[in-house]
Amino acid sequence: AQKITQTQPGMFVQEKEAVTLDCTYDTSDQSYGLFWYKQPSSGEMIFLIYQGSYDEQNATEGRYSLNFQKARKSANLVISASQLGDSAMYFCAMREGGNYGQNFVFGPGTRLSVLP
Amino acid sequence: DTAVSQTPKYLVTQMGNDKSIKCEQNLGHDTMYWYKQDSKKFLKIMFSYNNKELIINETVPNRFSPKSPDKAHLNLHINSLELGDSAVYFCASSQVVNSGGSNNEQFFGPGTRLTVL
Repeated sequence: AQKITQTQPGMFVQEKEAVTLDCTYDTSDQSYGLFWYKQPSSGEMIFLIYQGSYDEQNATEGRYSLNFQKARKSANLVISASQLGDSAMYFCAMREGGNYGQNFVFGPGTRLSVLP
Repeated sequence: DTAVSQTPKYLVTQMGNDKSIKCEQNLGHDTMYWYKQDSKKFLKIMFSYNNKELIINETVPNRFSPKSPDKAHLNLHINSLELGDSAVYFCASSQVVNSGGSNNEQFFGPGTRLTVL
């Protein structure tokens, strides 16, 4: 079974608007971490934001915020004021508590295109 | 001051050859990983090493063998290359933690694009 689901293979957003990228996860661990990474066309993987399973507040990093709904097992990424440079693949990932907490699983990704 | 470096960046080779990809991290992290990203951009973990010990070994053909001479290096050797091995291979590292709830994001290398002809 898929541990990380990203239901939007592709998304379009107008420049300067906000966009939400969906992520749902499946785990029976109480302790886990959720991550979002960005992969531009140049290919590198860039860490954006992190949410711990015990964090009560939603994580924020600049224009990125993570809408964490633990009961629904969702960790959506919100990008405010989209910029052309935000066009990229976005991956949601989860680290579970086993194996010293090192078992990372990535979702299939969402390709975001920002329109001028 | 590259945190995680991989060489080579591009690798083009014939079917049946043996090749290696090197990875080094200067972050002092305890754990290193190899991922394969296929043509559909799906990222799948192949191996994870913690302090030179194999922690995760996903279902990967035994033609793939990781080697960790020290905790700063994790090299990937591939024997008898096949067409289906063509992909981008990423090395990554992170700090080990005792529980999954702490932030220890993975730092990725730039990737190695392997093309098997």
